[in-house]
Amino acid sequence: DVKVTQSSRYLVKRTGEKVFLECVQDMDHENMFWYRQDPGLGLRLIYFSYDVKMKEKGDIPEGYSVSREKKERFSLILESASTNQTSMYLCASSKHLSTEPTDTQYFGPGTRLTVL
Amino acid sequence: GESVGLHLPTLSVQEGDNSIINCAYSNSASDYFIWYKQESGKGPQFIIDIRSNMDKRQGQRVTVLLNKTVKHLSLQIAATQPGDSAVYFCAELNDDGGGADGLTFGKGTHLIIQP
Repeated sequence: DVKVTQSSRYLVKRTGEKVFLECVQDMDHENMFWYRQDPGLGLRLIYFSYDVKMKEKGDIPEGYSVSREKKERFSLILESASTNQTSMYLCASSKHLSTEPTDTQYFGPGTRLTVL
Repeated sequence: GESVGLHLPTLSVQEGDNSIINCAYSNSASDYFIWYKQESGKGPQFIIDIRSNMDKRQGQRVTVLLNKTVKHLSLQIAATQPGDSAVYFCAELNDDGGGADGLTFGKGTHLIIQP
């Protein structure tokens, strides 16, 4: 089974702090994604990566950056946390096959971040 | 604006009845759709997918129907059980052939099972 793990289930930070959210997948997937999930807004894509050291902006990248130094690990960074970044953050991974539109995205359990 | 949406935020059904969860999408170029189930405190889990060259796909107790004419997607759950209680998301992909494939998600429908 694919396993996607996230470093923390719950996190509380203060405004202005630098925050790191870590995600690790164990299935050698090329693609990794970071989403945030807010009530009434569904899942929104922040950043994604299709290879080591590659990154692409999603729909709401402002206030975030990412790092993919190793294939299995994708980090989301909040350089200076703000209260409007209080949310549930979900990491996902998938294997991109050139002959298929996509493979299923597998999700981690989520990190609930509260910024005070 | 969002290109994928669901008609109802909450759907309440009796245990044992069939459930139908609907989703409308606006991007006619979308060619791949997925339904996810998210239980409380967990990340979304894949249920079933369908490609745009199909109208119907069946899984175990679930069926997805795709109507490209009206850009409508539905998830049917047969003989709903208490374990089906969750939020259900539809997601679409418009694959431009390059790089990673980020999905666009609907807002979700909360399925509540009445005993």
